[in-house]
Amino acid sequence: QVQLVQSGAEVKKPGASVKVSCKASGYTFTSSHMNWVRQAPGQGLEWMGIINPNGGSTSYAQKFQGRVTMTRDTSTSTFYMELSSLRSEDTAVYYCARDTSYWGQGTQVTVSS
Amino acid sequence: DIQMTQSPSTLSASVGDRVTLTCRASQSISVWLAWYQQKPGKAPKLLIYKASSLERGVPSRFSGSGSGTEFTLTISSLQPDDFATYYCQQYNSGVWTFGQGTKVEIK
Repeated sequence: QVQLVQSGAEVKKPGASVKVSCKASGYTFTSSHMNWVRQAPGQGLEWMGIINPNGGSTSYAQKFQGRVTMTRDTSTSTFYMELSSLRSEDTAVYYCARDTSYWGQGTQVTVSS
Repeated sequence: DIQMTQSPSTLSASVGDRVTLTCRASQSISVWLAWYQQKPGKAPKLLIYKASSLERGVPSRFSGSGSGTEFTLTISSLQPDDFATYYCQQYNSGVWTFGQGTKVEIK
């Protein structure tokens, strides 16, 4: 069965970067794009971008352009999302999502001095 | 970008009630709409895809309808497990956009 297992919670200082991983299993890694979505405390869902595992091409939401980098490692079937220049407003749960059906369990990222 | 607007923001209802949630898109998205249920501390759970297709394993009391810009999610008989927040999402253009959510709470 399809599984997306994300890395553990992170606490970062303002200005730092965070890299969240999403290990995929149960399907052919290169067959489906991967999306990243975040949810700030008490807020709704916000799409950050998408990566094509074939070749690694990406498309980012305008809001995150210049601060987000999505990559993948085909040898380990793992996707990564790195967000730089963190600020307190980036405190959120970050999810990877393979199409609408399959979501990771979420990774809490807290930005605090 | 396509904007998604859900109404109401909060809905108070009782067990057994029939409830209808609405989602409007700022431009036509054909049938490329999904509905999710989310409970605190959990990832969103897909209920409906392609506007009206029931995800496997989801109870049949959930149904979706609509196309173009107007969509609805109906719960035919609200159960205790259904008190949660519901989000619509468009996936028409390779860019995902979510509504702001409707919280279904106990009356």
